[in-house]
Amino acid sequence: SQQGEEDPQALSIQEGENATMNCSYKTSINNLQWYRQNSGRGLVHLILIRSNEREKHSGRLRVTLDTSKKSSSLLITASRAADTASYFCATDAGDDKIIFGKGTRLHILP
Amino acid sequence: SAVISQKPSRDICQRGTSLTIQCQVDSQVTMMFWYRQQPGQSLTLIATANQGSEATYESGFVIDKFPISRPNLTFSTLTVSNMSPEDSSIYLCSVEEPTDTQYFGPGTRLTVL
Repeated sequence: SQQGEEDPQALSIQEGENATMNCSYKTSINNLQWYRQNSGRGLVHLILIRSNEREKHSGRLRVTLDTSKKSSSLLITASRAADTASYFCATDAGDDKIIFGKGTRLHILP
Repeated sequence: SAVISQKPSRDICQRGTSLTIQCQVDSQVTMMFWYRQQPGQSLTLIATANQGSEATYESGFVIDKFPISRPNLTFSTLTVSNMSPEDSSIYLCSVEEPTDTQYFGPGTRLTVL
């Protein structure tokens, strides 16, 4: 079963613009992780944010977490063609299993 | 981070046959997981495989269809049994590190004819 729901399902932006993707989930979590997947290949881990954290940065990525709203966002700044991929959030409710959302397909236009 | 490899990277199989997928990690890990990603979909957890105990399957997945072995702390196999075209998916293994981060293998792309 899906724990997280990303929106939008698909997003197209011009290269250089910022891309924001949102993830909502249903139950309390220990942490939330964001992944990138290029063209049905393996998943690349981007960021893990814990339930007691509100914001984390990694290069051009910024992740926020609002546990009161059960939501998280992933911001990619100054997008590049190489950022074209599917992005997934995955939540860990404390049982070491992570449950994935449906994902956002991001397309960067030249 | 752990380096994970999977074999085979892809395969095309006939209906009714079985395929065993291998997952190898370059370090000892307690927990390994197997996921399925159907075409155009997200990842769904099949089972959790801990060394020295039977795998724990998620709702909708059964041992007879997806038997799993976990003989040591660096290796696991997933078998897709009596395959049908509906089993065509990418199968991924993952491991959890002490930091709680889960890392994934490159996946096995299975096509069943």
